[in-house]
Amino acid sequence: GIQVEQSPPDLILQEGANSTLRCNFSDSVNNLQWFHQNPWGQLINLFYIPSGTKQNGRLSATTVATERYSLLYISSSQTTDSGVYFCAATNYGGATNKLIFGTGTLLAVQP
Amino acid sequence: DAGVTQSPTHLIKTRGQQVTLRCSPKSGHDTVSWYQQALGQGPQFIFQYYEEEERQRGNFPDRFSGHQFPNYSSELNVNALLLGDSALYLCASSWAGGGNQPQHFGDGTRLSIL
Repeated sequence: GIQVEQSPPDLILQEGANSTLRCNFSDSVNNLQWFHQNPWGQLINLFYIPSGTKQNGRLSATTVATERYSLLYISSSQTTDSGVYFCAATNYGGATNKLIFGTGTLLAVQP
Repeated sequence: DAGVTQSPTHLIKTRGQQVTLRCSPKSGHDTVSWYQQALGQGPQFIFQYYEEEERQRGNFPDRFSGHQFPNYSSELNVNALLLGDSALYLCASSWAGGGNQPQHFGDGTRLSIL
């Protein structure tokens, strides 16, 4: 099945800094989602982005499906951005839309 | 418009016991998936239910079973609990129509096995 890898595994930023998180996947995908898991364990949908570019406030994401990667950009980071960022993909042609998650990027934004 | 709701939020059990977790999907959704997230790891797919049937199953033993009701809500049952079953259990819902649809997650049930 599809494999999803994320980098970097850990990231420490000063408040106000920008960052780029990367997600590589091993096969064609039907679905690519980015999530933020806060310290309370809530998994929050950020983007549904199987291809193209989307923006939502200080966050934006780009997926280049032909090259099998997706990027999440965080600009002007805030302490509330801290947590774990996951990307997850659904294998193209799979029986269902089950998500395969990467191992996550742990982000800490310091004041 | 309520999102995905799960109950209970926390649960403590002892080895060998059985547990039932519950999930109500987001309004308009008809498909429910369950995931297990161990500490420090990403969520792992357990199974998915659609039209009251198990549609796909991940690499989990038969101790893990589920059910979907006519109103699309779902239960996850785990029998003969092991210490390694301690985890955050997440329910996700989606709509089966219109091709591949994004999944929306509940806040999870944190299960601790003593």
